[in-house]
Amino acid sequence: DTGVSQNPRHKITKRGQNVTFRCDPISEHNRLYWYRQTLGQGPEFLTYFQNEAQLEKSRLLSDRFSAERPKGSFSTLEIQRTEQGDSAMYLCASSSVGQGSEKLLFGSGTQLSVL
Amino acid sequence: GESVGLHLPTLSVQEGDNSIINCAYSNSASDYFIWYKQESGKGPQFIIDIRSNMDKRQGQRVTVLLNKTVKHLSLQIAATQPGDSAVYFCADSGGSNYKLTFGKGTLLTVNP
Repeated sequence: DTGVSQNPRHKITKRGQNVTFRCDPISEHNRLYWYRQTLGQGPEFLTYFQNEAQLEKSRLLSDRFSAERPKGSFSTLEIQRTEQGDSAMYLCASSSVGQGSEKLLFGSGTQLSVL
Repeated sequence: GESVGLHLPTLSVQEGDNSIINCAYSNSASDYFIWYKQESGKGPQFIIDIRSNMDKRQGQRVTVLLNKTVKHLSLQIAATQPGDSAVYFCADSGGSNYKLTFGKGTLLTVNP
């Protein structure tokens, strides 16, 4: 296992289109997080899962954003009817709760550009 | 609102010098802190973490210092190398058991 994997690395879309990003966490990690990062800023928390349960989603930016983790392994983040303001880096991270560390390990992110 | 912030947005050092990156936090419930390094086009890379029951922790060439009295965190990098050039973020759990709050970051530039 080489770490958290995100696909695609880059996505260019037109305003109004739907996009979906995938995250494959470290296999033994039971928590998975989505963050968003805009230029010059630190990552901003969006949502997280513990196994397949989505335990916090109030920080999702609008009802156009949704995330799933159907089998407690990989996760998808979907943005419907994209807007130019959605352009950002979308980061996925995972961690293993119960082993004494909240250390989040991040993937390389998906860079979204909405034209 | 409470937030994690950084004192300096940029830091330029000479190769071989020691670097110190500072961070202030305001959430008194914060009990866990992490430093990340982020290179251009990549995700944040874990460097070192510290819990609030400690005031110092050392890693390979890095040391994190925590001063809970003044709510201040610092990252010291010994013998800074060109490969250390990146943006450094401190992050704070804010008492949460799941969410990290990040500051804006400090850009470290190492001059050869």
